[in-house]
Amino acid sequence: ETGVTQTPRHLVMGMTNKKSLKCEQHLGHNAMYWYKQSAKKPLELMFVYNFKEQTENNSVPSRFSPECPNSSHLFLHLHTLQPEDSALYLCASSQVGASGGGETQYFGPGTRLLVL
Amino acid sequence: AQSVSQHNHHVILSEAASLELGCNYSYGGTVNLFWYVQYPGQHLQLLLKYFSGDPLVKGIKGFEAEFIKSKFSFNLRKPSVQWSDTAEYFCAVKAGGYNKLIFGAGTRLAVHP
Repeated sequence: ETGVTQTPRHLVMGMTNKKSLKCEQHLGHNAMYWYKQSAKKPLELMFVYNFKEQTENNSVPSRFSPECPNSSHLFLHLHTLQPEDSALYLCASSQVGASGGGETQYFGPGTRLLVL
Repeated sequence: AQSVSQHNHHVILSEAASLELGCNYSYGGTVNLFWYVQYPGQHLQLLLKYFSGDPLVKGIKGFEAEFIKSKFSFNLRKPSVQWSDTAEYFCAVKAGGYNKLIFGAGTRLAVHP
């Protein structure tokens, strides 16, 4: 499955580091998403981009900064993270129609992040 | 606020047993419903989805789910599980016209040979 790719697959960083997660979708979709998957918790939606515009910020701390330069690429810039931010970060994409309904999100493999 | 409840966090079955995983959601309007599966070490994959029409939907690998609007439920079923069905299963709901998926906490299924 190469529809949605994410790099790196694993990342270890200190609390003072700055790093970026990258997501690329090869499906021609117009919407992209960042999710956080922590142990024993539901997937949490972090950000939504439609047509490169951020349309959802689900009360995410400012130490997470998304960037969507075009409809195929999505970044998540990380700085001064906390150990509780350790999780699997998933990227997804979908094709949103005019009515905004009825589309399926396709997920990447995720980046497993460990903050020390 | 919209929410999705998956009542079983861990399920252990023997091969050939029947499976039913519960999913309930809270939203009174039009919904799109999904079941995703995450096999060990793999990414989330779509198992099946309901948008409209026949409330009994069939997905890949012999899975099916039934949308019961009056019960706000979308339970996942399989008549006979296999060892390869060992995975984590997530129910998700998209409400109305918003492209925002709300996920349940997931159910870990372990199938013993």
